[in-house]
Amino acid sequence: DQQVKQNSPSLSVQEGRISILNCDYTNSMFDYFLWYKKYPAEGPTFLISISSIKDKNEDGRFTVFLNKSAKHLSLHIVPSQPGDSAVYFCAASAGGNEKLTFGTGTRLTIIP
Amino acid sequence: DAGVIQSPRHEVTEMGQEVTLRCKPISGHDYLFWYRQTMMRGLELLIYFNNNVPIDDSGMPEDRFSAKMPNASFSTLKIQPSEPRDSAVYFCASRPRRRSSRDTDTQYFGPGTRLTVL
Repeated sequence: DQQVKQNSPSLSVQEGRISILNCDYTNSMFDYFLWYKKYPAEGPTFLISISSIKDKNEDGRFTVFLNKSAKHLSLHIVPSQPGDSAVYFCAASAGGNEKLTFGTGTRLTIIP
Repeated sequence: DAGVIQSPRHEVTEMGQEVTLRCKPISGHDYLFWYRQTMMRGLELLIYFNNNVPIDDSGMPEDRFSAKMPNASFSTLKIQPSEPRDSAVYFCASRPRRRSSRDTDTQYFGPGTRLTVL
């Protein structure tokens, strides 16, 4: 049972435009959400996170939005750059639990 | 800091053979996690340790899988006997102890071991 879902396996975006990656979750106990970025032959690296007490968190070109009622979060990248081409994983944790539950990832390709 | 170190980076073995994957966490990190990445299921947590003690191994798929952490700087994940369906990328990650209840849950990942079982 996939508790964190990324329904788009891939996404292509023109350089300079906005990239929007989506993530849905089913477990209402999740209260902390993270996005990780992964390049080929490397491990995932932390990108940005958000607590359930917020609905938005911004860090430079990256913004994460959380809609708790819809159990949905999204990552916005503006403007998109070629170096943003990677696989993006959404992850969630519940109540301070050490376990992170990851989605299956979305491969983002930025077209120059 | 060298980051999380994993070895080998690639492993090709035949069905039935024993496979041992190794991990050196970041110095000073209290938590160590083993994940498996597949196309179908993404990143799955297999087991995690706190201060060298296994806390949750509910993600370990079968008895063929075992993990140990004999000291704070070394962990192994063993598969015996290996099967073709074990082919995946295995990641080790570590993180420090939280200093507050809302400290980040960020985990630091190694580069992974790509395992191919023929």
